[in-house]
Amino acid sequence: QQQVRQSPQSLTVWEGETAILNCSYEDSTFDYFPWYWQFPRESPALLIAIRPVSNKKEDGRFTIFFNKREKKLSLHITDSQPGDSATYFCAASPNTGYQNFYFGKGTSLTVIP
Amino acid sequence: AQTIHQWPVAEIKAVGSPLSLGCTIKGKSSPNLYWYWQATGGTLQQLFYSITVGQVESVVQLNLSASRPKDDQFILSTEKLLLSHSGFYLCAWSRGGGNTGQLYFGEGSKLTVL
Repeated sequence: QQQVRQSPQSLTVWEGETAILNCSYEDSTFDYFPWYWQFPRESPALLIAIRPVSNKKEDGRFTIFFNKREKKLSLHITDSQPGDSATYFCAASPNTGYQNFYFGKGTSLTVIP
Repeated sequence: AQTIHQWPVAEIKAVGSPLSLGCTIKGKSSPNLYWYWQATGGTLQQLFYSITVGQVESVVQLNLSASRPKDDQFILSTEKLLLSHSGFYLCAWSRGGGNTGQLYFGEGSKLTVL
């Protein structure tokens, strides 16, 4: 059973537009939600993360919106840049020591100049 | 600063042959260590994690095994490779004891099984 689901599978936006990447999860014990981005032939790197005590986390052009009741979150990338083109993974970890991380299947984002 | 190094960078192996991939973390004592597998264009599947030397927990069975012989070293191995083992293997670490949950990935090892 897929614990973390992402949509869309791929997304194309024009430079300057806002890209919205969606994520949902099953397990209510999840309490840490990092987003990782991965460029071709590179390993994933942490982009931004949120815990359920907040419903919003901002870091520059990247914002996570979190809805605990619906078990959904989304990553908004404002003023998208061609350099933002990458695969974005939503992940989740339960509040039992963070030994297990569950990743979604990823959203491939392409930003057209 | 902490560094994580994986070896080899890439391997081409025959079905049925053995495999050993390694990972070393420098600059961090007693980290939590993880092995992840990623099929080409796919998601990250956690394989193993370890919170201390000699202790490894399996998350999913893929005919692979892992060991942590030293505090800073994590080894992934199998005696017989399958075609389905092809992919990108990523070692990662996180802070142990009071773990914040942040994962730091190594540069990965690309495995092609023919």
